Amino acid sequence: SYVLTQPPSVSVAPGKTARITCEGNNIGGKSVHWYQQEPGQAPVLVIYYDGDRPSGIPERFSASNSGNTATLTIGRVEAGDEADYYCQVWDSRSDHWVFGGGTKLTVL
Amino acid sequence: EVQLVESGGGLVQPGRSLRLSCAASGFTFDDYAMHWVRQAPGKGLEWVSTITWNSINIAYADSVKGRFTISRDNAKNSLYLQMNSLRPEDTALYFCAKAKSIKAVAGVPLDYWGQGTLVIVSS
Repeated sequence: SYVLTQPPSVSVAPGKTARITCEGNNIGGKSVHWYQQEPGQAPVLVIYYDGDRPSGIPERFSASNSGNTATLTIGRVEAGDEADYYCQVWDSRSDHWVFGGGTKLTVL
Repeated sequence: EVQLVESGGGLVQPGRSLRLSCAASGFTFDDYAMHWVRQAPGKGLEWVSTITWNSINIAYADSVKGRFTISRDNAKNSLYLQMNSLRPEDTALYFCAKAKSIKAVAGVPLDYWGQGTLVIVSS
């Protein structure tokens, strides 16, 4: 089965840039979606189809996807960005959705 | 305003059954695929099952295949998850979620999620 690997945690100072990676075999050939989940809340879609942002998501959120790594980038990080972030792809070979293990973003 | 409200969770003994429901409003329910995603306490998200708008295409995670059945009633704007032969490892918060695009079959992100219903499987 297809596996997505994320770092368990990423720390960043306020105002700096956070980068959260999502590794998978030839993930660049798939569309990657990213979700933010604050404690006790439902996940929120923040990036879809590698780099599109739903309405209401700040432009500070962006993403890229190439080779074996997809990356969610959060610019000018704020305290309110502190949350868990998950990447997701559709594995057409198995007809399964796959989530990464999640990354806890800590704002120092 | 899109709303998804799950219900039906609770404490159940191993081997027993439970049926979850998700009441949808604020969008044309029968135009969209729907999903169940779960999250064990302190753990990450795990996809459980997907059903297309017309119920023709259905998929399950390997961990629940043969035990769980997803269904929908478009006339009632409702999504269901029948869970049989429950195991302790099925203990989780179960979310229903909506696909982003109309009449999509696969690969479409989940743009709205409910707040979840908690299932605890324990003797």
